[in-house]
Amino acid sequence: GNSVTQMEGPVTLSEEAFLTINCTYTATGYPSLFWYVQYPGEGLQLLLKATKADDKGSNKGFEATYRKETTSFHLEKGSVQVSDSAVYFCALSGSSGGYQKVTFGTGTKLQVIP
Amino acid sequence: KAGVTQTPRYLIKTRGQQVTLSCSPISGHRSVSWYQQTPGQGLQFLFEYFSETQRNKGNFPGRFSGRQFSNSRSEMNVSTLELGDSALYLCASSLGQYSSTDTQYFGPGTRLTVL
Repeated sequence: GNSVTQMEGPVTLSEEAFLTINCTYTATGYPSLFWYVQYPGEGLQLLLKATKADDKGSNKGFEATYRKETTSFHLEKGSVQVSDSAVYFCALSGSSGGYQKVTFGTGTKLQVIP
Repeated sequence: KAGVTQTPRYLIKTRGQQVTLSCSPISGHRSVSWYQQTPGQGLQFLFEYFSETQRNKGNFPGRFSGRQFSNSRSEMNVSTLELGDSALYLCASSLGQYSSTDTQYFGPGTRLTVL
């Protein structure tokens, strides 16, 4: 079946540091890939998505490129802020057992310190 | 456009009781999915409803059930509550297309505490 693997957290960075959160996936066919963010006490918010190979999703300074050859969708940001502290989930939407299904990674907690 | 709403936001119950959670999807969305989120297990899929029919189901006991109404609003019910049911229950809606590009939009969740 489909699966998503994210780097273990927590990730602690100083403000203005460069961020990379690794995400790799296993899926059949042509899944879409997503990054969601969850701030404390809230639900998940869609951060960005990419629906085909070599697409780059971007939002709020975050970027991720759909790499089919390496089955990866790593999240990057050039300069993080304290307000970026949250849990980040990588997800894929694809066919599994005859259904369209969304599969989430375990989440990576990011803490940004001033 | 209003987002996904969930009620109530917080709930405290005791073991053995039952609980009903409600979710109103984004207008025009026909699919509603439910997830359980706990610190130990992460985000786990419960079930998905589309046009009042359960289209997909996760690996949860029969105490967990749901339904969807003709206006796409959905409820989930947990009977005979156990301590381990304490979690954040998230609802997500989507257009419901049989397409990988269909994006899920999440509500704020219902925080259930079982004492």
